[in-house]
Amino acid sequence: QVQLQQSGPGLVKPSQTLSLTCAISGDSVFSNSAGWNWIRQSPSRGLEWLGRTLYRSKWYNDYALSVKSRITINPDTSKNQFSLQLNSVTPEDTAVYYCARDIGFDFDYWGQGTLVTVSS
Amino acid sequence: QSVLTQPPSASGTPGQRVTISCSGSSSNLGSHTVNWYQQLPGTAPRLLIYNNNQRPSGVPDRFSGSKSGTSGSLAISGLQSEDEAGYYCAAWDDSLNGMLFGGGTKLTVL
Repeated sequence: QVQLQQSGPGLVKPSQTLSLTCAISGDSVFSNSAGWNWIRQSPSRGLEWLGRTLYRSKWYNDYALSVKSRITINPDTSKNQFSLQLNSVTPEDTAVYYCARDIGFDFDYWGQGTLVTVSS
Repeated sequence: QSVLTQPPSASGTPGQRVTISCSGSSSNLGSHTVNWYQQLPGTAPRLLIYNNNQRPSGVPDRFSGSKSGTSGSLAISGLQSEDEAGYYCAAWDDSLNGMLFGGGTKLTVL
């Protein structure tokens, strides 16, 4: 059974960097069939896919156009986890952030969610 | 236009059959399959239907999906109180070059 456990701060100041981590159990970040995603949800923007990292003989990233200039998703192979960094945050980035596994963009396992508030 | 449109709300009584629509365009549903997610209050979304009409293991056969052209549909038969939740469609969008979610439909079981 795949489990995704999220960690990271719930409060970030405007203009700073939002950082979250998702620890994987029951699968490997090196999986050649899965992608490892970040998705957020807010009342104003609904569910919004942010991007993913995936391994297919080498590492690839896909990012949503809306955040492409500010986002980095990295694997941490030593800990079997992956991370999200979102730079230059504003209050509009306030949301519940989820990590999720995809198989062919079917998001079949999700983390528990982390409410991140951007406020001074 | 890169948007998936769902009705904001739907309702039914126990035992009834309800359907939820998802309207898209050529850049998303017209070219790609639709998935459906169920979100119970306070929890993460759960994959309910993938590849238009496939159910993951553990999803009751009361849930079914279909797609025609640029529209998708989720049907729930034999409605139960535990089905009260938010339902979201999703599909790849070529214009965005990314995954797109519908705005969600809140289902109330009366």
